[in-house]
Amino acid sequence: DGGITQSPKYLFRKEGQNVTLSCEQNLNHDAMYWYRQDPGQGLRLIYYSQIVNDFQKGDIAEGYSVSREKKESFPLTVTSAQKNPTAFYLCASSVGRKGEAFFGQGTRLTVV
Amino acid sequence: GENVEQHPSTLSVQEGDSAVIKCTYSDSASNYFPWYKQELGKRPQLIIDIRSNVGEKKDQRIAVTLNKTAKHFSLHITETQPEDSAVYFCAASNNAGNMLTFGGGTRLMVKP
Repeated sequence: DGGITQSPKYLFRKEGQNVTLSCEQNLNHDAMYWYRQDPGQGLRLIYYSQIVNDFQKGDIAEGYSVSREKKESFPLTVTSAQKNPTAFYLCASSVGRKGEAFFGQGTRLTVV
Repeated sequence: GENVEQHPSTLSVQEGDSAVIKCTYSDSASNYFPWYKQELGKRPQLIIDIRSNVGEKKDQRIAVTLNKTAKHFSLHITETQPEDSAVYFCAASNNAGNMLTFGGGTRLMVKP
C-alpha cells in the first residue's frame, strides 16, 4: 500500500526536551515538506526538501531542524528552542514541480 | 514569496445551497492552484486543482475558476450535503519548485 506515513500519531514533550517526528514515503517522490497547523488555523511551512541531502527553511523554521539523508525519509526535530511547540504537524510529499501533494495523517504534539 | 489569502474563514449554508470560497495570490508566476479538504482530525486531501492554462474546471458538484489577471481563484460547491462540512484550503505553487503556499482555510458547515 503506497503512501506517506507519520509516526507517532500523538507525542508528548516535556519542557526543554528535543523530540523527533518521523515521516516516511514509498511514493518515490522527490519533494517532501513539513507543515504546522494550530487549532483553527491554516498550514504554515516549516521546512521543505526538493532532493536528497538538500532542504530549505520555510516561513517558521526557528526552533526546528530536519535532515534528508534518504529519499523516502524526512524527519523533523522539534528542539527546546521552539517555545510553543504544541500543534498538529503534517508531513507531505509530491512528485516534482507543480504536482499534487500527498499528506501524512499528522502528529499531534503536546508539551506537558 | 507567495502570499495566499482566503475568504471567508467560516461559511455556514443550508443543505442544498451553493457555497463559494475565494482566494487571492500575490506571485504572478504561480500557475498551479489546488484545493484541499480536511475533515476533523484527518489529513488534507486534494479535491480539485487547476493550472493557469485553464480558466475553469469542474468535477461533479465542485468547480474551480481562475482569473490570472486579477490573481484570484474560487471554489464552488453546488447542492451542498452535510458530508461537505470540513475545512477547505486553497494553495498556490511557488515557481521555484513544488512548494505550496496555503491560504488560511475556510470552515464550511452544511446544516441539514
